[in-house]
Amino acid sequence: DAKTTQPNSMESNEEEPVHLPCNHSTISGTDYIHWYRQLPSQGPEYVIHGLTSNVNNRMASLAIAEDRKSSTLILHRATLRDAAVYYCILRGYGGSQGNLIFGKGTKLSVKP
Amino acid sequence: DAGVTQSPTHLIKTRGQQVTLRCSPISGHKSVSWYQQVLGQGPQFIFQYYEKEERGRGNFPDRFSARQFPNYSSELNVNALLLGDSALYLCASSEGPRSTDTQYFGPGTRLTVL
Repeated sequence: DAKTTQPNSMESNEEEPVHLPCNHSTISGTDYIHWYRQLPSQGPEYVIHGLTSNVNNRMASLAIAEDRKSSTLILHRATLRDAAVYYCILRGYGGSQGNLIFGKGTKLSVKP
Repeated sequence: DAGVTQSPTHLIKTRGQQVTLRCSPISGHKSVSWYQQVLGQGPQFIFQYYEKEERGRGNFPDRFSARQFPNYSSELNVNALLLGDSALYLCASSEGPRSTDTQYFGPGTRLTVL
């Protein structure tokens, strides 16, 4: 799986939007972009994934650059509960091994 | 529906001992993966099992072993414990073993080796 680059930490104010960036310049055409987050003292939690088009779900939105070399996870209104480490992970489509390769992620702090 | 469950929650062992960690996947999921998370780092892949067969193995020594049972639950065994084995051990389940199958994680087992 290709590597991703994320900022070590970010801060946000409660009820404001948060944009978490991820660079993946060596992404291949069949790599999906996945986001997981890990709240304190919990296991990682799936957030969203996409291939080329922007994606929305109840938790977040994923904006993917046209060249797919970067993406942004968007939390539309941050809450205190969104304080977590966010991981951007590339997963090849159709691979026989489904293991996730985690980096260090971005630690998001949310201020009241 | 119950999520992934792991037991025990916490465990304290001494160097040289052996430990067994247990995981029950989400109902209907046939694949289980194990990860080790050292403090301050992202989780590192140890094993993946699907239909009781090993489908992948990370860069861990032979002291680490695992198995999956007919009911798809799984055990992770670590022999001859070292101080460096102190970590959070995470289990994740998915419908299948492929990269398109979303993995759902349990809360983990915190292992401390003294």
